[in-house]
Amino acid sequence: GAVVSQHPSWVICKSGTSVKIECRSLDFQATTMFWYRQFPKQSLMLMATSNEGSKATYEQGVEKDKFLINHASLTLSTLTVTSAHPEDSSFYICSALATYAYNEQFFGPGTRLTVL
Amino acid sequence: ELKVEQNPLFLSMQEGKNYTIYCNYSTTSDRLYWYRQDPGKSLESLFVLLSNGAVKQEGRLMASLDTKARLSTLHITAAVHDLSATYFCAVDRGFGNEKLTFGTGTRLTIIP
Repeated sequence: GAVVSQHPSWVICKSGTSVKIECRSLDFQATTMFWYRQFPKQSLMLMATSNEGSKATYEQGVEKDKFLINHASLTLSTLTVTSAHPEDSSFYICSALATYAYNEQFFGPGTRLTVL
Repeated sequence: ELKVEQNPLFLSMQEGKNYTIYCNYSTTSDRLYWYRQDPGKSLESLFVLLSNGAVKQEGRLMASLDTKARLSTLHITAAVHDLSATYFCAVDRGFGNEKLTFGTGTRLTIIP
């Protein structure tokens, strides 16, 4: 149990376009999901908390208008990188909070975004 | 602001040797996690430590937690090549706040 998927696993796009990344909890419901960003050879940085049925909360320094988050159901959160630029190229990882497992976070496989 | 530091950042060790990775955090936390990350991959959960004095072991890895010192250790016994990876500790923000702050990571290379 506790499987989290992400789609796509990798994406290449042109500068100025928008990219949507999906995060799904496959075998449990998650009212809370988290989005992280990881630059090469660096640690994970929390970007935002995605809450089902309400607005996402963003960490300090993260542009909410650039990184749009929608948590429309108990098993799906989406992150849209709007008007992407090369500096947005990164590894994006989501996690889902499993309340049945003492609120442990289960991580998706990640999405590698390259903006040309 | 919660800060999480790991050391060493890089560790190259021979097979069969023992070593310890350290994780220090700056403020009260409810839980501490250890994860493994292979190149190009996401995180694999290793341990969750909940209370002072907690010790967990899985194979050649053993993790411990000292909440008074705000210190966790990940001990590697008789290292094998398969353990080569980057290891991260992470702590939540305490008082029921499950947001995680990750350590800097330790890149471990096991040399035959």
